[in-house]
Amino acid sequence: GDSVTQMEGPVTLSEEAFLTINCTYTATGYPSLFWYVQYPGEGLQLLLKATKADDKGSNKGFEATYRKETTSFHLEKGSVQVSDSAVYFCALGNTNAGKSTFGDGTTLTVKP
Amino acid sequence: DSGVTQTPKHLITATGQRVTLRCSPRSGDLSVYWYQQSLDQGLQFLIQYYNGEERAKGNILERFSAQQFPDLHSELNLSSLELGDSALYFCASSEDLVPTGELFFGEGSRLTVL
Repeated sequence: GDSVTQMEGPVTLSEEAFLTINCTYTATGYPSLFWYVQYPGEGLQLLLKATKADDKGSNKGFEATYRKETTSFHLEKGSVQVSDSAVYFCALGNTNAGKSTFGDGTTLTVKP
Repeated sequence: DSGVTQTPKHLITATGQRVTLRCSPRSGDLSVYWYQQSLDQGLQFLIQYYNGEERAKGNILERFSAQQFPDLHSELNLSSLELGDSALYFCASSEDLVPTGELFFGEGSRLTVL
């Protein structure tokens, strides 16, 4: 079945540091890929998405590129802020499987 | 605000009891999904309903059941509760049947089983 593997956390960075959170997936067909973010005490919300190979999703300074050849969708941000502290989930939505599959989440803490 | 409403926000109960969690999806969304988030198992897909019908099933225990009503709200029923059922239960909704679009999540219902 489908699966999503993301970088284990927690990750702690200083403000303005570069962020990479790795995500790889296994799926049949051509899934859509997502990054969701969960701020403390809140539900998940969509951060960015990509629907086909080589698409780049971007939002709030975060970027991720759909790499079919490496089955990856790594999340990057050039300069993190304290307000980016949250849990980040990589996910895929697959018509073949009929469901969305989420990674385990990576907790990011940014220190001033 | 995602537009998805979940009640109750917090619930404390004892082992062996039964609880019902409620979800109102975003206006116009026909699909409702239930997820369980626990510390050691991440976000686990439980079940999906689309326009009143069950469409996909994940790792949902037999002690758990769900339904979606004609007004599209959904309820997740958890019975014979065990300590291990303590978790955050999320409801999400989307426009489509297929899961290739954005999911809109509620703030979750935190269940504590003592």
